[in-house]
Amino acid sequence: GENVEQHPSTLSVQEGDSAVIKCTYSDSASNYFPWYKQELGKRPQLIIDIRSNVGEKKDQRIAVTLNKTAKHFSLHITETQPEDSAVYFCAADRVDRGSTLGRLYFGRGTQLTVWP
Amino acid sequence: DTAVSQTPKYLVTQMGNDKSIKCEQNLGHDTMYWYKQDSKKFLKIMFSYNNKELIINETVPNRFSPKSPDKAHLNLHINSLELGDSAVYFCASSPTTGNQPQHFGDGTRLSIL
Repeated sequence: GENVEQHPSTLSVQEGDSAVIKCTYSDSASNYFPWYKQELGKRPQLIIDIRSNVGEKKDQRIAVTLNKTAKHFSLHITETQPEDSAVYFCAADRVDRGSTLGRLYFGRGTQLTVWP
Repeated sequence: DTAVSQTPKYLVTQMGNDKSIKCEQNLGHDTMYWYKQDSKKFLKIMFSYNNKELIINETVPNRFSPKSPDKAHLNLHINSLELGDSAVYFCASSPTTGNQPQHFGDGTRLSIL
């Protein structure tokens, strides 16, 4: 099955700085890569996703890049704010050819702390 | 209007007991999931149902039995609870299977005494 590795496990930045979280995946057939944010005691929430036919996607201060050849994808948060503090999860999904079945494989998460 | 709702939010019980967690989604999605999040925050899929049909069954002890009476509901029954079952259990749903954003419920924190 798929193996998703996520780094770093913890990240501390000053407010206003940028934060980058990186993930690698093992299955070249994976073709959907969502990112989830989980605040303390809350549910994971989708913040951005990217499909394998796209190299980069941006939504205001958040961007995701995908390098299919190297099998890695990254989350970039610019102008960080204290409310960005949370655990961020990357994930990879694949749909087998001729099938509609898929499943998400999650990374182990990155605890991002933004200091005011 | 909560899109994916789980009950109860907290569950504290003793080893050996049997308990159930209920999940309902009002998004009209076809696919629902159960995830377990351990103390180290790792999210691991347990089960997935598509239109009431079981499609993913990870290596989960037989003590865990999911049930989907209709595509808007997915319940989880756990028999003979063990200390290692302590975790947060999340229900999620997506429009269909595969390559779809998943919407999570607020979680059920299960604590075994």
